[in-house]
Amino acid sequence: NAGVMQNPRHLVRRRGQEARLRCSPMKGHSHVYWYRQLPEEGLKFMVYLQKENIIDESGMPKERFSAEFPKEGPSILRIQQVVRGDSAAYFCASSALRDFYGYTFGSGTRLTVV
Amino acid sequence: QQQVKQSPQSLIVQKGGIPIINCAYENTAFDYFPWYQQFPGKGPALLIAIRPDVSEKKEGRFTISFNKSAKQFSLHIMDSQPGDSATYFCAASGSGGFQKLVFGTGTRLLVSP
Repeated sequence: NAGVMQNPRHLVRRRGQEARLRCSPMKGHSHVYWYRQLPEEGLKFMVYLQKENIIDESGMPKERFSAEFPKEGPSILRIQQVVRGDSAAYFCASSALRDFYGYTFGSGTRLTVV
Repeated sequence: QQQVKQSPQSLIVQKGGIPIINCAYENTAFDYFPWYQQFPGKGPALLIAIRPDVSEKKEGRFTISFNKSAKQFSLHIMDSQPGDSATYFCAASGSGGFQKLVFGTGTRLLVSP
């Protein structure tokens, strides 16, 4: 079991470009969560998805950010027209059940906007 | 009210010492309190967790103390080792269905040899 796989590990984007972050949950897990960690801060919840459904996106910025978890393939966090303030580590976690106590985090994607 | 306040921001102890990290919360609906350990370049890993029906929980060298009336909880690391050097996050959430984890700001621990 390879765990939660995130790629790329590091991503550099110029202001105005798009960033796509991918997350493959652990085998058998159908629930995916995205958290963002700004420098020197704790993780903050962004969105919770199940296959083909967004369950809770209350932590997502209203503009430029979107997430999906298609029937096939990884979950994608998409940031359009990136700005310097989007520079952060983005972590994905997965669980087998709606009960999140079984969270397993991936190693994250470090996004740097230049 | 959704915040979890964590202190200290950083901590240096000698090998064998007992670092203590403290967290406080306001939301009385919180009833699950995990601690996560994060090494550089890695994601957070669940270390130990507690619910308010107990005042203390031990797992190996890690102990959580919980004070429900004060709305505070803390992590103690007994006989700390250089390999414990990492960033530690407390977190809190409610229960029943999906609940977001609310994280503290982290404590960077350095255990010197």
